[in-house]
Amino acid sequence: NAGVTQTPKFQVLKTGQSMTLQCAQDMNHNSMYWYRQDPGMGLRLIYYSASEGTTDKGEVPNGYNVSRLNKREFSLRLESAAPSQTSVYFCASSEDRVNQPQHFGDGTRLSIL
Amino acid sequence: GDSVTQMEGPVTLSEEAFLTINCTYTATGYPSLFWYVQYPGEGLQLLLKATKADDKGSNKGFEATYRKETTSFHLEKGSVQVSDSAVYFCALSLDSSYKLIFGSGTRLLVRP
Repeated sequence: NAGVTQTPKFQVLKTGQSMTLQCAQDMNHNSMYWYRQDPGMGLRLIYYSASEGTTDKGEVPNGYNVSRLNKREFSLRLESAAPSQTSVYFCASSEDRVNQPQHFGDGTRLSIL
Repeated sequence: GDSVTQMEGPVTLSEEAFLTINCTYTATGYPSLFWYVQYPGEGLQLLLKATKADDKGSNKGFEATYRKETTSFHLEKGSVQVSDSAVYFCALSLDSSYKLIFGSGTRLLVRP
């Protein structure tokens, strides 16, 4: 009954370090998403993958890269972390049909000093 | 552009009080509308949804009606409980996309 699993749950980085956030889902969903959540701003889409082998930019893609490794896994990479990337990051997945709800992981809380 | 606007929080209520959280949207076309809830330390969970005008979504005592004429999807509950304390997000998705557009969230605090 795992759903969407994100690792790690917490991480502290220094400015300029790199890091990959991992996400895996076991619901056989085609579509996966990465969001960041900042106080007072709701969730903003960073990147999404409508299906295996495709990725597209969302609202705030700068400073991030993604890899859709296979149908289950969708990773988010920060190549050179900046303090402005301090946030809570959520991965989500859904069926690739309109009007379908998204299923979220528990988030990764990332602090960049 | 497409957007969702929610009332600012926090909303503080006593147990058994009536809850309304306002949500309005701007969208081209005919969006589907959702309410998600986020409990402390957790990810978002779908609370309810409505896919066309005049539909009413309901779940766990919460209700919201899709009002096309006022472009609104207000969340209501007749009697809140302490366990309803959470952050509530209104969101829309467009017919042509799987993506969600979220409001900024409204924090609800229910006191015993």
